[in-house]
Amino acid sequence: ILNVEQSPQSLHVQEGDSTNFTCSFPSSNFYALHWYRWETAKSPEALFVMTLNGDEKKKGRISATLNTKEGYSYLYIKGSQPEDSATYLCASLWTGNQFYFGTGTSLTVIP
Amino acid sequence: DAGVTQSPTHLIKTRGQQVTLRCSPKSGHDTVSWYQQALGQGPQFIFQYYEEEERQRGNFPDRFSGHQFPNYSSELNVNALLLGDSALYLCASSVTAPGNTIYFGEGSWLTVV
Repeated sequence: ILNVEQSPQSLHVQEGDSTNFTCSFPSSNFYALHWYRWETAKSPEALFVMTLNGDEKKKGRISATLNTKEGYSYLYIKGSQPEDSATYLCASLWTGNQFYFGTGTSLTVIP
Repeated sequence: DAGVTQSPTHLIKTRGQQVTLRCSPKSGHDTVSWYQQALGQGPQFIFQYYEEEERQRGNFPDRFSGHQFPNYSSELNVNALLLGDSALYLCASSVTAPGNTIYFGEGSWLTVV
């Protein structure tokens, strides 16, 4: 079992604040890292798929970076809005097609 | 285009019983994976099916079994249910290629009493 860790576990921010959180994973035999956004009572929604060291992806106010050598990825949200409230999951893929998920960061944006 | 659909959405079973959960993948997807998410944990990989065969398996006992049909839909069966099997069971589908985005269903909530 490969450990994927996310921090912090939960986060409360004011509307308009920018925030970021971390996904850490073993760097050996890395293949890909996925970020998902999971709102309550909905299915997890794919945000980014990242494979290359130094990758940066952006989707609106959300962006992510990847460092495969040191084994971490950051997810940034600029100008948080209440609709950004969700659990953000990262999942790392090594050999084969098995994903290992972190436990998620629960974000609450306070209006 | 329907996404990944799962049924039932909620169910309650008694210890020792058996349960079958169903999943229809997103159109065009040929690979189905099942995950268990217990309270306070991230999704844990159970197994993955491709071409009607189990391709990979996580660290789950043999009480957990599955099947994939020619139309790519899949079932997860759990025998001899334990209280600890209470969890959200997520189905995810993808096109078979490492690193491709996987799409999740909304899950089936199983409560074992």
